[in-house]
Amino acid sequence: DAKTTQPPSMDCAEGRAANLPCNHSTISGNEYVYWYRQIHSQGPQYIIHGLKNNETNEMASLIITEDRKSSTLILPHATLRDTAVYYCIVGSQGGYQKVTFGTGTKLQVIP
Amino acid sequence: GAVVSQHPSWVICKSGTSVKIECRSLDFQATTMFWYRQFPKQSLMLMATSNEGSKATYEQGVEKDKFLINHASLTLSTLTVTSAHPEDSSFYICSAREPGQGPQLAFFGQGTRLTVV
Repeated sequence: DAKTTQPPSMDCAEGRAANLPCNHSTISGNEYVYWYRQIHSQGPQYIIHGLKNNETNEMASLIITEDRKSSTLILPHATLRDTAVYYCIVGSQGGYQKVTFGTGTKLQVIP
Repeated sequence: GAVVSQHPSWVICKSGTSVKIECRSLDFQATTMFWYRQFPKQSLMLMATSNEGSKATYEQGVEKDKFLINHASLTLSTLTVTSAHPEDSSFYICSAREPGQGPQLAFFGQGTRLTVV
């Protein structure tokens, strides 16, 4: 599995957009970019994923660069409940996934 | 999406005793489940892969005799921490996903907080 690099922490003002970057320069052609988050003392929660096109759902948007070596997760209007550790993971669909977590980004949403 | 549930959510046990944690797939059959451990302010670390009807596969450095995994049915995997010590205190998380279940990498349980006193 490709390795990912994320900043260890970020702050964001409540109501503003939170932009969380991720580098995955060794991603292979059939690997997707996944984002999960973990609120304190809970299991990881799926947010969004993409292959090469930008994606949007009710939780967030995912912007993937054309060379696929990096991506950005965007929370358009951050709330205090978005305070969590955000993990960027690359992996292939199908089969049994042994998910490897990096260090993630601790996002603190400030009132 | 699919639901994975763990029980208990938290447990406190005395040093030297054993503790069993259950991981259930509620609405799908899981031939493979994964167990993770997470220490405070650290990321999730994969401990082992649980395979229904066969022995679990442990990651390097994880003691198989201390962390007993039993995957006796297609909806249940258990992790037993034997002779627990304070250093085993951690947050334990399981996950599962079957082929054809859609795009998510895995479905995670809510985690079990183990405190050994």
